[in-house]
Amino acid sequence: EVQLVESGGGLVKPGGSLRLSCAASGFTFINYSMNWVRQAPGKGLEWVSSISNSGTYIYQADSLKGRFTISRDNAKNSLYLQINNLRVEDTAVYYCARGQYSGYGFDYWGQGTLVTVSS
Amino acid sequence: EIVLTQSPGTLSLSPGERATLACRASQSVSSSYLAWYQQKPGQAPRLLIYGASSRATGIPDRFSGSGSGTDFTLTISRLEPEDFAVYYCQQYGLSSITFGQGTRLQIK
Repeated sequence: EVQLVESGGGLVKPGGSLRLSCAASGFTFINYSMNWVRQAPGKGLEWVSSISNSGTYIYQADSLKGRFTISRDNAKNSLYLQINNLRVEDTAVYYCARGQYSGYGFDYWGQGTLVTVSS
Repeated sequence: EIVLTQSPGTLSLSPGERATLACRASQSVSSSYLAWYQQKPGQAPRLLIYGASSRATGIPDRFSGSGSGTDFTLTISRLEPEDFAVYYCQQYGLSSITFGQGTRLQIK
C-alpha cells in the first residue's frame, strides 16, 4: 500500500524556519517524481515545488522562489521542504504528493502537515 | 504562468443529476497535461482524471473528462451522494504547475 506521511509542521514565528518531511513507503521511491502542494485555510490548492526522481530537476512556483527548497533522499525514501523566513501568509496545510509514473497527475497524497505562522 | 479559471464557483444539484464543470486556461494547454481532482472536507485531494480524459485507477466511470486547447470539462453523469465536494483542475506547464480556484459541488 502506498503511503506518504508528512511531518515537521507546527507553530512558528514570522521570520522563522521549518523543515517539512515526507516519508514514503509501499512503492519504489526512486522511480517517481515528488511534489509539494499547500492549501491555506479555507482556500484552494497551490503548487509549491516538484523534484524529479533522481533529484536532478527541480521546479518551483515563481512566487515562492528564494525561501522554499525541495530535496529528497532516495536512500531514506524521504522528501523534504525547507522553508526559510516564514511569513504569516505561508500558513497552510502542506501536502506531499507523488507524480504518476505514466502520465501527468499527482496520484497519491499524504494527509498533510499544518504550518502556522504567527507571532 | 498559465491561469486556470473554473466555472461555476458553486454548483447546486441533486443526486441523480448530471454535473458539468468547466476549466478555462489563459493559453493553450496540451491535453496530456490537464488533470482533475476531487477534495472532500478534511481530506487530501484525489486524482480523478489525467491527460484530460483518462480516469485514474479506481475512479468510477460516471466521471469523464473532455476538452482541448483552452477549454476543458469534467462531467459527472449521475451524481451520487459521495460526489458532493470541491473539484480542481490542474495543468503542467513549462517548469510550472497551476491549479484552478475550484468548483464547489453542493447538494441542492
